[in-house]
Amino acid sequence: RKEVEQDPGPFNVPEGATVAFNCTYSNSASQSFFWYRQDCRKEPKLLMSVYSSGNEDGRFTAQLNRASQYISLLIRDSKLSDSATYLCVVNIPTNTGFQKLVFGTGTRLLVSP
Amino acid sequence: DAGITQSPRYKITETGRQVTLMCHQTWSHSYMFWYRQDLGHGLRLIYYSAAADITDKGEVPDGYVVSRSKTENFPLTLESATRSQTSVYFCASSRRPLMDPRNTEAFFGQGTRLTVV
Repeated sequence: RKEVEQDPGPFNVPEGATVAFNCTYSNSASQSFFWYRQDCRKEPKLLMSVYSSGNEDGRFTAQLNRASQYISLLIRDSKLSDSATYLCVVNIPTNTGFQKLVFGTGTRLLVSP
Repeated sequence: DAGITQSPRYKITETGRQVTLMCHQTWSHSYMFWYRQDLGHGLRLIYYSAAADITDKGEVPDGYVVSRSKTENFPLTLESATRSQTSVYFCASSRRPLMDPRNTEAFFGQGTRLTVV
């Protein structure tokens, strides 16, 4: 089983739509969770961290469900500029006492006029 | 310039050759990571480092070697390049052990596109 799993999509939505992405992780000891955005042929960039209580940043809402080990990202009122790949990222503790940052395969979003 | 930089940006090499990809960061971040990105696989962790002289394997370490003698540098070496190592390689760094989601953003270099022929 992969440590972090996402639906690869693509998700094709019209402008103004609401779209949700889900991600599951396998290590229950994971403590930190993030959503990154990656544009075509560019490096990934942090979109938002995911806190236990859930958090919102403008049109973006991230939530964490520890019991079910999944993370979600909700995008409201989609814009053309939201077209990108969204990467679920989990900080996974190792048996050496350090942490490694593991990425899901990403979900591609295409927003059309 | 401050930040995280990778070099070279593009590299074509022949099968069997040794290749070193460089990664340099100016923030004194303790953690550094190497990923490869291939279609259908997303970003896969090759190696990571928690501090100078501390490195550990990720998901796909075979065929790669890393070192971290200085905090700011984390070179990745392909000892004998193979065609399957054709990929885009990303280096990243993070300021703290990532246990606190606040202010623990991982910053990425612009990537190195490596082609092995």
